[in-house]
Amino acid sequence: LAKTTQPISMDSYEGQEVNITCSHNNIATNDYITWYQQFPSQGPRFIIQGYKTKVTNEVASLFIPADRKSSTLSLPRVSLSDTAVYYCLVGASQAGTALIFGKGTTLSVSS
Amino acid sequence: DVKVTQSSRYLVKRTGEKVFLECVQDMDHENMFWYRQDPGLGLRLIYFSYDVKMKEKGDIPEGYSVSREKKERFSLILESASTNQTSMYLCASSQTRGGNTNEQFFGPGTRLTVL
Repeated sequence: LAKTTQPISMDSYEGQEVNITCSHNNIATNDYITWYQQFPSQGPRFIIQGYKTKVTNEVASLFIPADRKSSTLSLPRVSLSDTAVYYCLVGASQAGTALIFGKGTTLSVSS
Repeated sequence: DVKVTQSSRYLVKRTGEKVFLECVQDMDHENMFWYRQDPGLGLRLIYFSYDVKMKEKGDIPEGYSVSREKKERFSLILESASTNQTSMYLCASSQTRGGNTNEQFFGPGTRLTVL
């Protein structure tokens, strides 16, 4: 499974756009890039997944360059409630495989 | 909505006891997972199962076993609990056929304390 590297922590203020970048130099052709969000005392929650270029949903956008060796999760106009740990994972979406969660990025949003 | 439930929110056991953690999902998912989460270490995969009676080791299977006799239920067993197994245990499930295997749905977690 491809290893990912992301910052341990980030700080932001309410209303700002936050970009969290993840490196995955050994990503395989079949791998997708998946991001999860985890609030304290809860299990992680899937927020977005992509294969290449850009994906956007109601929560976030995911930017993936052509070489797919990195990806950037973009959270527009964060609020205090976006304070959480964000995990970047890569893996093929197929039977018999499992994603590997690392330590994630702890995002702290202040007022 | 997918619902993943875990048998206990909090559990206190003594060293050497056999401990069962139960997880049930109601969406007919093929895949089920057990993780533990410790401060500073993130989520670590213990075991997963992609079908009934099938199991695969994750990163830290030592000291644990699992059982999947029915599709909706995945049990984690600590054969002889030790203090270093004090942790938050999270169960998850995901769909393969007609779904996204990478989209896992997590339960609320069981905080296990071994004294």
